[in-house]
Amino acid sequence: EDQVTQSPEALRLQEGESSSLNCSYTVSGLRGLFWYRQDPGKGPEFLFTLYSAGEEKEKERLKATLTKKESFLHITAPKPEDSATYLCAVRGANYGQNFVFGPGTRLSVLP
Amino acid sequence: DTAVSQTPKYLVTQMGNDKSIKCEQNLGHDTMYWYKQDSKKFLKIMFSYNNKELIINETVPNRFSPKSPDKAHLNLHINSLELGDSAVYFCASSHGQEGYTFGSGTRLTVV
Repeated sequence: EDQVTQSPEALRLQEGESSSLNCSYTVSGLRGLFWYRQDPGKGPEFLFTLYSAGEEKEKERLKATLTKKESFLHITAPKPEDSATYLCAVRGANYGQNFVFGPGTRLSVLP
Repeated sequence: DTAVSQTPKYLVTQMGNDKSIKCEQNLGHDTMYWYKQDSKKFLKIMFSYNNKELIINETVPNRFSPKSPDKAHLNLHINSLELGDSAVYFCASSHGQEGYTFGSGTRLTVV
C-alpha cells in the first residue's frame, strides 16, 4: 500500500535559522512527488513537483530534492511569513491522477 | 478571480440532515476532486471526476455522492449526516498530471 510519512510533526525556527523537512514515501511506480503549503483556514497551495531521483526545484527560500525513498524541503534563512503546514503528496502508478498525502509538518518561524 | 471556489465556507447542521457543498472552477481543468481533511489534518481522497469517469474511494460511505452538472462544477451531496462527518472538505481541480489547485475549504460541523 502506498504510504507517505513526514517528519518532524512540528518545527519551530528562529528567523534566519535554516532547516529541512523530510518526506518518506513508499509507492508503486512513482509518477510524481508534490509539495504543498497550507495556511490556517485555507486550502493547500501547490509548490513543487519532482519526478525522478536527483531532481531539484527551487522557489525563493525553498528547495525541494528527491531520492528514491524520500524528499527534503530545505528552507534557507526562513522568515515569519514562511510559517505554515507543509504537505508532501505522491502520485503512484495505481492512483491515476490522485494523490496520497502525508500528515504534514507544521512550521513556525519566530521573529 | 477565484480559481476554485467552494460554498459555504462554514456549515453547521444537525445529525440526520442532508446537505450539499458546491464547488466551481474557472481554470478550464478537466478533472475535479473532493478531499476530506480530518482533525489530524490528513487529506484523503473521496472522489475524482472528469467527463468520462467517476472514481470513488471505496472507504467513502454511500451517503456521500458527487454531482457534476458540467465540467466546471462538482458538488458534494451528503445524506443522513453523522457526527463523524465533521471535517473540512476541500474541492480541487487539475489538468493532466499537474499539481492540484484547491479551494479554500468548507468546515462542516455536525451537532
